[in-house]
Amino acid sequence: GEQVEQRPPHLSVREGDSAVITCTYTDPNSYYFFWYKQEPGASLQLLMKVFSSTEINEGQGFTVLLNKKDKRLSLNLTAAHPGDSAAYFCAVSVTGGADRLTFGKGTQLIIQP
Amino acid sequence: EAAVTQSPRNKVAVTGGKVTLSCNQTNNHNNMYWYRQDTGHGLRLIHYSYGAGSTEKGDIPDGYKASRPSQENFSLILELATPSQTSVYFCASGDEGTSQNTLYFGAGTRLSVL
Repeated sequence: GEQVEQRPPHLSVREGDSAVITCTYTDPNSYYFFWYKQEPGASLQLLMKVFSSTEINEGQGFTVLLNKKDKRLSLNLTAAHPGDSAAYFCAVSVTGGADRLTFGKGTQLIIQP
Repeated sequence: EAAVTQSPRNKVAVTGGKVTLSCNQTNNHNNMYWYRQDTGHGLRLIHYSYGAGSTEKGDIPDGYKASRPSQENFSLILELATPSQTSVYFCASGDEGTSQNTLYFGAGTRLSVL
């Protein structure tokens, strides 16, 4: 089945700096890609999604890039601010249905002042 | 605004006891899901449902049962709780049409089995 590896597990950057979180996946038929954000003590909320056909999405200070050749999904934060401190999870699916959605193990992002 | 409500938010149970976690959604989504979240494992799917009366096994169903009596409600049942089931449990709803595959999560239930 699909394997998703997310790196790094922990990331600390200074306010205003950039940050990159990467997920690699194994199933070349994967089509749906999601990034969820979980603030401390809270639930997960969708941050961004991208489909295999679009490969890029931007918003809220983030850019999601999909490299299908390398089977790599990245979440790029251009200028970190304290509100970005959270755990981030990628999720990958071939069909879109959550019964076949595979989550990465998460990245704990800390923004230092 | 999509809404998924879980109860209780916190639960302490004894080993061998029965625990029921409840989830209610007002999104009118067909599909509902139960996950557990553990450090180092991310989110793992326990059970899911395609609609009222339907329950399906996820990736780690052993020790858990699920019940979907209506479109809105989905319960997770631990008949004989064990300390290894100490975790944070999340319910979610979503479907291909209405939510375009986006999952809407509840606030989570922190379960401790002593």
